[in-house]
Amino acid sequence: ETGVTQSPTHLIKTRGQQVTLRCSSQSGHNTVSWYQQALGQGPQFIFQYYREEENGRGNFPPRFSGLQFPNYSSELNVNALELDDSALYLCASSFGLVSYNEQFFGPGTRLTVL
Amino acid sequence: AQRVTQPEKLLSVFKGAPVELKCNYSYSGSPELFWYVQYSRQRLQLLLRHISRESIKGFTADLNKGETSFHLKKPFAQEEDSAMYYCALSDSGSARQLTFGSGTQLTVLP
Repeated sequence: ETGVTQSPTHLIKTRGQQVTLRCSSQSGHNTVSWYQQALGQGPQFIFQYYREEENGRGNFPPRFSGLQFPNYSSELNVNALELDDSALYLCASSFGLVSYNEQFFGPGTRLTVL
Repeated sequence: AQRVTQPEKLLSVFKGAPVELKCNYSYSGSPELFWYVQYSRQRLQLLLRHISRESIKGFTADLNKGETSFHLKKPFAQEEDSAMYYCALSDSGSARQLTFGSGTQLTVLP
């Protein structure tokens, strides 16, 4: 059983550019959630995908978008990057939508916007 | 809106001493509460969830709905408990999104 993987590990972009982050779910999981973790803060929910459909969204603007593929891997896209988008981006996979099911986190992608 | 507050950013205790990491929440419905832990150079992982009423690595946490708290406790801290601890709340909406506190860095001194 493989765990959650994310790519790339680190990324540097300039303001106004676009970025795509990738996440591979743990085997057997069909739900992926994305979080943004600013320095010194806890993770903040961006959105969740369940069976290829967006299933909930946090307080993030539309320039944050995502996809989930038939194999349940996922992408997070951010357009028109701003300096405040600099953060660690975490994805977490789980099975189904039961609230007490454990979410398994990936190691994160560190995004720096200059 | 739901909110999780961890009042202590840093907490240091000596090995063998009791430890309590505080967590308070605000949520209008029936929350599911969790403690996640991140050891140095490792990924975020679940420590325990209130619904299981379990003790993991000697840690326990009791949900107090009257005080809206979910404090994490261990009677005798060990050096390997040094880590960042996050309290998290899952809502009852369809997304079951996790709302995290800002975390407490626990250091257990020898």
